[in-house]
Amino acid sequence: ETGVTQSPTHLIKTRGQQVTLRCSSQSGHNTVSWYQQALGQGPQFIFQYYREEENGRGNFPPRFSGLQFPNYSSELNVNALELDDSALYLCASSLLGAYGYTFGSGTRLTVV
Amino acid sequence: SQQGEEDPQALSIQEGENATMNCSYKTSINNLQWYRQNSGRGLVHLILIRSNEREKHSGRLRVTLDTSKKSSSLLITASRAADTASYFCATEGYGGSQGNLIFGKGTKLSVKP
Repeated sequence: ETGVTQSPTHLIKTRGQQVTLRCSSQSGHNTVSWYQQALGQGPQFIFQYYREEENGRGNFPPRFSGLQFPNYSSELNVNALELDDSALYLCASSLLGAYGYTFGSGTRLTVV
Repeated sequence: SQQGEEDPQALSIQEGENATMNCSYKTSINNLQWYRQNSGRGLVHLILIRSNEREKHSGRLRVTLDTSKKSSSLLITASRAADTASYFCATEGYGGSQGNLIFGKGTKLSVKP
């Protein structure tokens, strides 16, 4: 079985730009969640998608948006990037109702 | 916002010693999970304990949960240099909170050969 894969692994963007991060869920999983991890902090929940719809959202502004596709892969889009958006972005997949999450290796975003 | 608080923030031990990390949380939970993270990369799921369980083992890992004190501990026995990593506890609630893992700030463990 394949794990969760994220792309790209590293990215540098300029303040004000837009970015799209991608995630491929583990085979058999139907939900995907995104987390933001600032340096020295624990991950913070951004949102979760199930059946291509948002199924819960953390305390993040609307410029953070996402998509889930029929094959359960997902995108995280961030508009109008700010310096504080610099972080490691983690994707996790799971089977709704089951326990445990599989995380990808993350995308490190640097906003300059 | 962070729900869990790990203690200590950093721990340095010799290979072969045991490492104990503690986690406290604030609200009622469905389950509590422990994850390991190497060098700021992805999280690896270690163990999950449900709110109606008190202790769980997996290999060299032992997790306890005290819901009355809203606390958990992770014990790694006979530590190895490869156990060097950051360890996070994460809580998951019920219903609409499922899927929203709330992490602490982590314990940075260093195991010296």
